[in-house]
Amino acid sequence: DAGVIQSPRHEVTEMGQEVTLRCKPISGHNSLFWYRQTMMRGLELLIYFNNNVPIDDSGMPEDRFSAKMPNASFSTLKIQPSEPRDSAVYFCATLAAGVYNEQFFGPGTRLTVL
Amino acid sequence: AQSVTQLGSHVSVSEGALVLLRCNYSSSVPPYLFWYVQYPNQGLQLLLKYTSAATLVKGINGFEAEFKKSETSFHLTKPSAHMSDAAEYFCAVRSGGYQKVTFGTGTKLQVIP
Repeated sequence: DAGVIQSPRHEVTEMGQEVTLRCKPISGHNSLFWYRQTMMRGLELLIYFNNNVPIDDSGMPEDRFSAKMPNASFSTLKIQPSEPRDSAVYFCATLAAGVYNEQFFGPGTRLTVL
Repeated sequence: AQSVTQLGSHVSVSEGALVLLRCNYSSSVPPYLFWYVQYPNQGLQLLLKYTSAATLVKGINGFEAEFKKSETSFHLTKPSAHMSDAAEYFCAVRSGGYQKVTFGTGTKLQVIP
């Protein structure tokens, strides 16, 4: 298996532009998580889905952030409009059903908003 | 509710010395506990996990952790540090069948030659 796939790996954009981050989970994993990592705030859970349904979005910073999971093999995290304080590394992680299972992380997308 | 506390955001050890990274958890139901490692510019990868089968858990790269219910701890150890162990380490807890995993704030390990 290729693992969790994220694209793009790096994104540089200007303030006010729309940014879309993409994630392809490991086949068969039915939970998907979006995290943001910064030096100041560490690793933060933004939102997670179970069976394509958003379960907890309490970590989404504000209305500029939105996430979708239209099917079991694809998810997006969108920021519109982007701001410099959104600069961070965004990770997608997935989890197979079963109480003993661990999350598998993607390589992350490094976002820089100028 | 579940939470994790990692004591010490930075730990320095000499090459060949014992590594001890501390983690305490809080969970209202029997927990499942994890240690992840993050190398620079990479995602997190699993080191080891506790799933109630055995209190002493062995992981990759010579790391191990012991679950102590009475102390609500799950400290990570390695007898002899190697330069390649320099990374950030995260402790995490997952309560029962709940999907959400709560991560600690991480501990950066520096290995001094």
